[in-house]
Amino acid sequence: RKEVEQDPGPFNVPEGATVAFNCTYSNSASQSFFWYRQDCRKEPKLLMSVYSSGNEDGRFTAQLNRASQYISLLIRDSKLSDSATYLCVATDSSYKLIFGSGTRLLVRP
Amino acid sequence: DAGVIQSPRHEVTEMGQEVTLRCKPISGHDYLFWYRQTMMRGLELLIYFNNNVPIDDSGMPEDRFSAKMPNASFSTLKIQPSEPRDSAVYFCASSPWQGGDEQFFGPGTRLTVL
Repeated sequence: RKEVEQDPGPFNVPEGATVAFNCTYSNSASQSFFWYRQDCRKEPKLLMSVYSSGNEDGRFTAQLNRASQYISLLIRDSKLSDSATYLCVATDSSYKLIFGSGTRLLVRP
Repeated sequence: DAGVIQSPRHEVTEMGQEVTLRCKPISGHDYLFWYRQTMMRGLELLIYFNNNVPIDDSGMPEDRFSAKMPNASFSTLKIQPSEPRDSAVYFCASSPWQGGDEQFFGPGTRLTVL
């Protein structure tokens, strides 16, 4: 079983749609969580950190459920430019980043 | 400000050849990470350094892989001899500190071993 698991998608949605990605992690000792975004043939870049209380950054909302070891990312009013792969990340007990395989999002006009 | 710099951006080589990938981290970042990304396995951490010292190399696949960081501004990842299964994108990343902070990735080196 992979340490961080995500639905690979692709999610194909129209512009303006709301889309939600889910992720589970297996290591209960994980302390920090992130969503990274990776455009095609580019490097991953931090999208946002995920806090226990949940956090929002514009159209993006991230939530963490420690009891269920579950992380989510909600994108509202999706734009064409949101098309990318979204990588769920958890740290292991020594704070190394463990990446999920990514969920691919395609936003169509 | 310059981000993480990697070279070469693309490398095509033949099985058995030595390959050296290079990375210059962001100035002032104490941590440097080498990752490998493939379709099958996703993004995997190979090794990381703190203040030029290798801390954890448990992700290095086998003895054919080695990494060095002779100073704070330069690191290499070497594969000798290379094999077709080493074909992947290799990313270098740097961070001010390990725990919970953002890692800044370089553009990657796309390696193809024929």
